[in-house]
Amino acid sequence: KQEVTQIPAALSVPEGENLVLNCSFTDSAIYNLQWFRQDPGKGLTSLLLIQSSQREQTSGRLNASLDKSSGRSTLYIAASQPGDSATYLCAVRQGGTSYGKLTFGQGTILTVHP
Amino acid sequence: DARVTQTPRHKVTEMGQEVTMRCQPILGHNTVFWYRQTMMQGLELLAYFRNRAPLDDSGMPKDRFSAEMPDATLATLKIQPSEPRDSAVYFCASGLSFQRQPGNTIYFGEGSWLTVV
Repeated sequence: KQEVTQIPAALSVPEGENLVLNCSFTDSAIYNLQWFRQDPGKGLTSLLLIQSSQREQTSGRLNASLDKSSGRSTLYIAASQPGDSATYLCAVRQGGTSYGKLTFGQGTILTVHP
Repeated sequence: DARVTQTPRHKVTEMGQEVTMRCQPILGHNTVFWYRQTMMQGLELLAYFRNRAPLDDSGMPKDRFSAEMPDATLATLKIQPSEPRDSAVYFCASGLSFQRQPGNTIYFGEGSWLTVV
């Protein structure tokens, strides 16, 4: 059974800092990994999608890397802003007999204070 | 701007009542997911459809929950009878998935906030 773990569970930083969120998964037979953002009372917004054959993806101040063999992904946020405050979730898209199933981590609650 | 639409957004109901949540996936998407989110358990997969066929509903309590896709534009999640422990946010998500492709971005709706009293 796939298990996804995110570290840290919560993070509080001053504005302007660069930060790294970590995600690990136990079963490396994945098709892709997706990072989401969730604001309080809202749904999930997709930030980045990395296919299993890729090493990283970038979008603006966000950079996500994937090391499939070691079961790890990181989300790097450059020059953090108060508007980045949210819960960040990573999810792996399963392969094999569970093809297509998306398994989530518990999330990292990020607070960026001015 | 294409989006996944869920109704109702909020629902308060009494224990024992039937609850039906509806989801309209993004037009053209062939995969639909139902997730439940609670503080304790996080996001749990309840059911997963591809081309309207159920592929995985192992996370769904079969005695009271049921999920269907009557057509490609509508997915439903029904709870009968509802219990207080069903109070949660229920998310629908959709995406594209093909056998020889790993699948693309999954898009989530805004969720249905259910409170059973």
